[in-house]
Amino acid sequence: QKEVEQDPGPLSVPEGAIVSLNCTYSNSAFQYFMWYRQYSRKGPELLMYTYSSGNKEDGRFTAQVDKSSKYISLFIRDSQPSDSATYLCAMRGTGGFKTIFGAGTRLFVKA
Amino acid sequence: EAQVTQNPRYLITVTGKKLTVTCSQNMNHEYMSWYRQDPGLGLRQIYYSMNVEVTDKGDVPEGYKVSRKEKRNFPLILESPSPNQTSLYFCASSRGTDDQETQYFGPGTRLLVL
Repeated sequence: QKEVEQDPGPLSVPEGAIVSLNCTYSNSAFQYFMWYRQYSRKGPELLMYTYSSGNKEDGRFTAQVDKSSKYISLFIRDSQPSDSATYLCAMRGTGGFKTIFGAGTRLFVKA
Repeated sequence: EAQVTQNPRYLITVTGKKLTVTCSQNMNHEYMSWYRQDPGLGLRQIYYSMNVEVTDKGDVPEGYKVSRKEKRNFPLILESPSPNQTSLYFCASSRGTDDQETQYFGPGTRLLVL
């Protein structure tokens, strides 16, 4: 079993829809939870970062962490065609920088 | 402009021929990492460095070497490349403080080992 599981999709939604992206994990030592966006032929870019449990909002993006369920989510409100990309979840524990990524979910937002 | 640069961007080589992929950052970041990205497997960390002369293994270090002699540079060395190291490689750097994650990725190096 992988330490981090993420549905690869693809996920196709109409413009304006609310998108929900999720990851589950097995390692209870993870404390830092990140979401990256990767456009085709580009390097990943950090989108959201959360330490421990809770919610974090930034514009149209909301990240949630539920450590009791070992489940993290990224919500995108009012999705736009420019949001079409691969979204990668990532996480790591404290005391080091070993980072585990999910496989990535490919998202298509149709105009 | 804050950036992470990698060279070369594309490389075709043959099995066993030593190669080095360079990585440089201009943000004075302490943390640097190397990842490989393969279809269906996402990004997997190869090695990371928390400062000059401090490196540690990630998830898939076999067949790779790194060094961190200067803060800005973190080269990835393949002493004897094999076809299973054909992949897309990313270098990343980060300030890495506990209260903020700011990992910047380079543009990637696409490697084909024949």
